[in-house]
Amino acid sequence: AQKITQTQPGMFVQEKEAVTLDCTYDTSDPSYGLFWYKQPSSGEMIFLIYQGSYDQQNATEGRYSLNFQKARKSANLVISASQLGDSAMYFCAMREGLGGATNKLIFGTGTLLAVQP
Amino acid sequence: GAVVSQHPSRVICKSGTSVKIECRSLDFQATTMFWYRQFPKKSLMLMATSNEGSKATYEQGVEKDKFLINHASLTLSTLTVTSAHPEDSSFYICSARGQGRPDTQYFGPGTRLTVL
Repeated sequence: AQKITQTQPGMFVQEKEAVTLDCTYDTSDPSYGLFWYKQPSSGEMIFLIYQGSYDQQNATEGRYSLNFQKARKSANLVISASQLGDSAMYFCAMREGLGGATNKLIFGTGTLLAVQP
Repeated sequence: GAVVSQHPSRVICKSGTSVKIECRSLDFQATTMFWYRQFPKKSLMLMATSNEGSKATYEQGVEKDKFLINHASLTLSTLTVTSAHPEDSSFYICSARGQGRPDTQYFGPGTRLTVL
């Protein structure tokens, strides 16, 4: 069965510094997708970044990058130059298969990031 | 693009009543939508997968008769919590499957349900 693990319940980071949020996963399917979402206190889930299991390069989206280590089954999110607005809950999620209409997302337990001025 | 709305954003109801939550994809068609439930400071738990024009697929442990899902069009799915009880109080979030790579799910802003 697929599983997502986020071992950091909470993290502090100083404004303008970089921070890494950990995520490990477990699946027997060779094809899968990994996602990171941000959930501010208002509740909406904001898509940040995606990594496919066959992607050769680590995904990057602005200040977000995904450190994908396939052999270790880890997909850590790196946020560079942290901003106060980055304070939120961050969820790692996985979908088995690379597409398909009903492929489900399985979420980790989340990491609460607090950016300090 | 890829905007999903939910209505209402907050609802308070009496125990025993039914509550309907709407999920709309505003600028794209979504043949598949998903309904999640989130308890305070917890992760999202998938309740069901809503398919346009067919019956929803429920996750194990989710009562089909209590959480009625209707996906009548390519832009609208509804979740009705029937005979609500205080333990149904939660944050309900829908998502719609986008098109193209990476086949991302785009989430609505959520609905906070409080049953008194």
